[in-house]
Amino acid sequence: DTEVTQTPKHLVMGMTNKKSLKCEQHMGHRAMYWYKQKAKKPPELMFVYSYEKLSINESVPSRFSPECPNSSLLNLHLHALQPEDSALYLCASSQRGGYTFGSGTRLTVV
Amino acid sequence: AQSVAQPEDQVNVAEGNPLTVKCTYSVSGNPYLFWYVQYPNRGLQFLLKYITGDNLVKGSYGFEAEFNKSQTSFHLKKPSALVSDSALYFCAVRSFGYGNNRLAFGKGNQVVVIP
Repeated sequence: DTEVTQTPKHLVMGMTNKKSLKCEQHMGHRAMYWYKQKAKKPPELMFVYSYEKLSINESVPSRFSPECPNSSLLNLHLHALQPEDSALYLCASSQRGGYTFGSGTRLTVV
Repeated sequence: AQSVAQPEDQVNVAEGNPLTVKCTYSVSGNPYLFWYVQYPNRGLQFLLKYITGDNLVKGSYGFEAEFNKSQTSFHLKKPSALVSDSALYFCAVRSFGYGNNRLAFGKGNQVVVIP
């Protein structure tokens, strides 16, 4: 298995909702990432987990809460989001200099 | 600090002509360099990477890139462009070293292949 799987592919949520994004990989990669991407812009790093521990938090608002329950799974919990948080959320994993990206979750906050 | 520059916003090329997408990098130490392609409403697809070894790297879908240390460049090339190559292309870099997982992206280049 050489893929990073993200679910759901699309999500529409209200500003008072709580939802979660899920990311899974079975390549044995020990670093996993969340990125946020606006249309036609480069991905912006949000969080990095290394060996299941949070190693980088790019000053992301607390309404985004990451979680790494095990070495294969990465979640992003969402609460009280704003319309400007609407974007494509990409998960990635890496090992030995190779990065694999998922297809992303297209999030719309209404 | 590490960064890449993709100087052009859009690259227009006629189908069948050579395609070049430019990238220059800045990094302390030895770089890991990557090219990714993104189609509308899709994730990033890996094209190729340079870590060490031959300066000419061959990748997916007929793409290749040349690592030039003296010019700090890693331009992406394809000898004969296809309409299906129309997409957004990102160059990315990270510095070599244990514990450094941060990947820095360029702003991206929109490639338009004209039939």
